[in-house]
Amino acid sequence: EAQVTQNPRYLITVTGKKLTVTCSQNMNHEYMSWYRQDPGLGLRQIYYSMNVEATDKGDVPEGYKVSRKEKRNFPLILESPSPNQTSLYFCASSTSGTSTDTQYFGPGTRLTVL
Amino acid sequence: AQSVTQLGSHVSVSEGALVLLRCNYSSSVPPYLFWYVQYPNQGLQLLLKYTSAATLVKGINGFEAEFKKSETSFHLTKPSAHMSDAAEYFCAVRDSGAGSYQLTFGKGTKLSVIP
Repeated sequence: EAQVTQNPRYLITVTGKKLTVTCSQNMNHEYMSWYRQDPGLGLRQIYYSMNVEATDKGDVPEGYKVSRKEKRNFPLILESPSPNQTSLYFCASSTSGTSTDTQYFGPGTRLTVL
Repeated sequence: AQSVTQLGSHVSVSEGALVLLRCNYSSSVPPYLFWYVQYPNQGLQLLLKYTSAATLVKGINGFEAEFKKSETSFHLTKPSAHMSDAAEYFCAVRDSGAGSYQLTFGKGTKLSVIP
């Protein structure tokens, strides 16, 4: 089944404790992206990747890191999480990320930083 | 940068009534436009998209949207609401220029359907 998977689905952590949220897709997509969703703000893009070893900042990259060492995986790293990073995070992928490509979303990771 | 505005963070309709969710974009060049739906506790899925092939676009579950360049709008409609349509709907825009990767979302409209 074609899908985007994220782990963990739920995470409660404390300020400053490094964490990684994994994202994997099995559709051989070149483009992958991370978003955060906050009430009243919609989805805001954190980082995206056009292909292996090619990443770029989205609208809200501060406090986040990403890497794309292989095509199927695009982990999101929070090196020193803070309470304002409490949010619902979505990973998405698409064939090329341009023009009319449809993005396929993972189920989301709900992160709480205490 | 592209931007998109969704009028109304919450919309309530009666079952069987017309659904109209509004989306306006800001761009001098017609962009690519998308509507996504998010059911409770799920990720987003594509409802429909405007690709410049036709101004009236039909999507899944009986939804459709009309691209109006003069009004810079891409409103989502459905003739008769069903209880299962209760969800949050997001309009999104992408620049139609070559190499444009960013997809910008609106803030979303939560649709409630009253029995």
